[in-house]
Amino acid sequence: AQSVTQLGSHVSVSEGALVLLRCNYSSSVPPYLFWYVQYPNQGLQLLLKYTSAATLVKGINGFEAEFKKSETSFHLTKPSAHMSDAAEYFCAVSGDLTGTASKLTFGTGTRLQVTL
Amino acid sequence: NAGVTQTPKFQVLKTGQSMTLQCAQDMNHNSMYWYRQDPGMGLRLIYYSASEGTTDKGEVPNGYNVSRLNKREFSLRLESAAPSQTSVYFCASSTGRTKNGYTFGSGTRLTVV
Repeated sequence: AQSVTQLGSHVSVSEGALVLLRCNYSSSVPPYLFWYVQYPNQGLQLLLKYTSAATLVKGINGFEAEFKKSETSFHLTKPSAHMSDAAEYFCAVSGDLTGTASKLTFGTGTRLQVTL
Repeated sequence: NAGVTQTPKFQVLKTGQSMTLQCAQDMNHNSMYWYRQDPGMGLRLIYYSASEGTTDKGEVPNGYNVSRLNKREFSLRLESAAPSQTSVYFCASSTGRTKNGYTFGSGTRLTVV
């Protein structure tokens, strides 16, 4: 079985400050890892994904994440927060690499608040 | 617009009533999924369909049934709604290859009173 743990259900940063959202995973096989963002009353949108190519992955809206196998982590960062980044962020790991469907297992989410 | 379409967007049911949530995708994806989202619990997989003609249980299937009507459509049915099924339901689809991730619908907010 595979799982993800997101540390901190709520994170608050000032506009212009560094954003760091933490995700640790557990996997018995090399994982594929994803970050999704959910704006209020909307579905989830893919921010970025790690699929065993470059360990530093760049996504949309200035976000990036680094895969660190030794730390089993895939933390999401953005150098300078913007008010429009306020949303809920979900880390996910691929579930069944041997099956016929790519089942994702999601973390419990981190709500990002950006203040002036 | 290409994507995943869910209907309805909002629904209020009385305990014991039944309803079907509809989902359709137009991306020619092989696999489709139903998740529920509850505060503090993230998204939990209810059922999924790896390909047309197949369905399998996920993490929380009790109280639900699904139908993969064709490659485009995957419906979720609540036979006898319970207050514990109050949640936001998301449908998603994927090519079926693990590394491609999912495309999500905008969700159905269901309240059971």
